[in-house]
Amino acid sequence: GENVEQHPSTLSVQEGDSAVIKCTYSDSASNYFPWYKQELGKRPQLIIDIRSNVGEKKDQRIAVTLNKTAKHFSLHITETQPEDSAVYFCAASIGGAQKLVFGQGTRLTINP
Amino acid sequence: GAVVSQHPSRVICKSGTSVKIECRSLDFQATTMFWYRQFPKQSLMLMATSNEGSKATYEQGVEKDKFLINHASLTLSTLTVTSAHPEDSSFYICSATLGGPDEQYFGPGTRLTVT
Repeated sequence: GENVEQHPSTLSVQEGDSAVIKCTYSDSASNYFPWYKQELGKRPQLIIDIRSNVGEKKDQRIAVTLNKTAKHFSLHITETQPEDSAVYFCAASIGGAQKLVFGQGTRLTINP
Repeated sequence: GAVVSQHPSRVICKSGTSVKIECRSLDFQATTMFWYRQFPKQSLMLMATSNEGSKATYEQGVEKDKFLINHASLTLSTLTVTSAHPEDSSFYICSATLGGPDEQYFGPGTRLTVT
């Protein structure tokens, strides 16, 4: 079945610097790749998503890139702020279906 | 728009009892709802997929007789944890989707503690 690997598991950056989180997936039929931010005890919140027909998408300080050939996608956060501190999860659809498989998560800490 | 609620937000029950968790889509009709379980400091693990009016589809390793799912309408799905044990203590989160490989809207989660 689909497997999603996410790295790193923890990431600490200085405020204002950039943060990059990477994920790889196994199912070549996957076509939807969302990124979620989850604060402690709260629901996951979608921060950005990308579909397989697009290579890059940007929304203000957040961008996602997708390399279908290599089956990996990355989250880029620029000009990081303390409120960016949270756990981030990548996910991939299982083929063209609605189900998502989540990566293991990255705990991002922004140091002031 | 696209708001999903869950009730209760937290529940404590005794070992051997059953607990029901509700998931509602408040402002849209959800063709499909999903149930996830999340243990502390771990990722979301899909338990089952629920479609209105049909039987839920369970992921491998999830006991369908222990985790009963009912999807009676396009806005309500329920998860019942039967004969709960301490190892069932977890954060249970539902999500709803409008269809297709598209955004899933998550509920706020239910923290279940079995004593």
